[in-house]
Amino acid sequence: GQNIDQPTEMTATEGAIVQINCTYQTSGFNGLFWYQQHAGEAPTFLSYNVLDGLEEKGRFSSFLSRSKGYSYLLLKELQMKDSASYLCAVRPLASGTYKYIFGTGTRLKVLA
Amino acid sequence: ETGVTQTPRHLVMGMTNKKSLKCEQHLGHNAMYWYKQSAKKPLELMFVYNFKEQTENNSVPSRFSPECPNSSHLFLHLHTLQPEDSALYLCASSQVDRGETQYFGPGTRLLVL
Repeated sequence: GQNIDQPTEMTATEGAIVQINCTYQTSGFNGLFWYQQHAGEAPTFLSYNVLDGLEEKGRFSSFLSRSKGYSYLLLKELQMKDSASYLCAVRPLASGTYKYIFGTGTRLKVLA
Repeated sequence: ETGVTQTPRHLVMGMTNKKSLKCEQHLGHNAMYWYKQSAKKPLELMFVYNFKEQTENNSVPSRFSPECPNSSHLFLHLHTLQPEDSALYLCASSQVDRGETQYFGPGTRLLVL
């Protein structure tokens, strides 16, 4: 079956660095996405990885290892506004071009 | 601010009511999606429309009926819903030939009594 695992909750301190892990087991692989979702709001796109390695975008970076079925989202210099849920999603090649498989999300709390 | 809008933002309905959710995308995309988001569950894909044609129906009960009159508008018609259908309903859009990153609307919070 298709499965995406990520921790349910994490807590970190303002100014710190936090790494949110995501592991996946899917019938195929055609890209991994990270989204940020504040409570009561739309998920917003953060990053996309399709090749192995690190993609850096400001304070956020995302890493992918296809052989390990593993990704992480790295958030640096944490700010209070980073408190949100972070969703990992995989687009499996075999199950249709448009289909994403989402994890349950990691709720991040940033403390002062 | 996203380029995808949804109305209403909140909806309370009885099990015998009929209502519709509306989604509009202003991004020039050619694919639109309906998702259901329940507490502590992953986002569940319900329907996909590509160039106004339905390409995916993810085993959704017939009490949910989608409509896509053009590539900018998407509706979800609701009738005889159950309390377990209470959830956040999210619309998304993407451009099929440009990486297919999906952009989401703010969602409609639905409560079925």
